[in-house]
This record gives sequence, C-alpha cells and structure tokens, in this order.
Amino acid sequence: DAKTTQPNSMESNEEEPVHLPCNHSTISGTDYIHWYRQLPSQGPEYVIHGLTSNVNNRMASLAIAEDRKSSTLILHRATLRDAAVYYCILSWGNTGKLIFGQGTTLQVKP
Amino acid sequence: NAGVTQTPKFRILKIGQSMTLQCTQDMNHNYMYWYRQDPGMGLKLIYYSVGAGITDKGEVPNGYNVSRSTTEDFPLRLELAAPSQTSVYFCASSTRTDGAFFGQGTRLTVV
Repeated sequence: DAKTTQPNSMESNEEEPVHLPCNHSTISGTDYIHWYRQLPSQGPEYVIHGLTSNVNNRMASLAIAEDRKSSTLILHRATLRDAAVYYCILSWGNTGKLIFGQGTTLQVKP
Repeated sequence: NAGVTQTPKFRILKIGQSMTLQCTQDMNHNYMYWYRQDPGMGLKLIYYSVGAGITDKGEVPNGYNVSRSTTEDFPLRLELAAPSQTSVYFCASSTRTDGAFFGQGTRLTVV
C-alpha cells in the first residue's frame, strides 16, 4: 500500500505563500494524489486532487513532480483561517481507498 | 444539496450496548467510507464500500460491522460498545476519480 510522508508541522506568516510538501515514492500509476484539511473540531475538507498534471482551484494549487514521487500543495496567500492539519493521501488504484497519515499542522502567524 | 449527513451528532453509550451510526449521501457517489478519529490523532479507516452490496475492511474494523444495501446509505453498527470505541466517527463519500466529501461527524462516548 502506497504511503505518504509529510512534515509534522510548518509555520507561515499571514498573507505569504505556503508550500506544503508530500513524498509518495511508492505511488502507482493509477493512484490519485489528494489533499484535505481539517480545521479544529471539524470534519476533513477536500482541498484539491490530481493524477499527473498540476491543478489549480479557488482554494489552492497542486504541483506534482514529473516522476509523481512527490507533490506540493500551494496556498497562495495564507490567512489565519488556513491554520489546520493538512493531509496528503493517495487513493489506491482501483479501490479508491483513502488512507490518512498524520498530516502537517500548519500554523499561520499574524 | 445536503451532501453527507450523519446522525446522531452526539451519543453516550454504556459498555455492552449496541447502536447504529447512520450515514446518507445524496450525490450518487459509489464510494463510501467510515473513519474514526481519537483525540489528537489522525483518521483511521474502519470500513469502506465501492458500491451497493460491496464492503471491505479498512485499518481498524474490529468491533464494527457495515452494510450497503443502497447507494445512498452506509450505516455503521457497533454491537458491544467498549470504552476503546470512544471517538469521533466520520462518514465520507466520493467517486472513483474525484475528491471525497465528509459528514460533520458523530461524537461517541462509551462509559
């Protein structure tokens, strides 16, 4: 089962860009890369996902390495409301199974 | 669109009691999931389903059962509640290729 590795915590200043890294060296060709975040006392919230190409949406951008062994979630301008735990996970092959790791706790300083 | 709806939001059970956590989605998603999250920890997958009539174990299935008789519903059954099952339970749904939507959770305490 493909796993992901993320830093335990990161800090950012408000209104600055944030780059959250994720390693997934055992990713298979059919695994999608998903990012979710969880604010305190709330359920996880979908952020973005992709397969091979970089992706953009209103919340963030996802940059996927050419070999797909790593990816980076980019928050273009961090706000205090972006302080959360960010999870990088893979949807496994044909099962679509989503296994969460420990995630990265992002602190945003005013 | 209601999305993923979980009931109840809160529940206190006594040791040995049984209960069913309900989960319903109105997005016609084939994939559905149950997770538990202990305080200060990440989410652990209990069971998942790729379509009506099909279920499979996740990381921590012991003490739980599920069924998937319809696309919309994916109930989670606790047969003999134990203190170790005190947790927040999240249900989610998705398609094969899109992101997952989560419910607001059920906070369960077993005393």
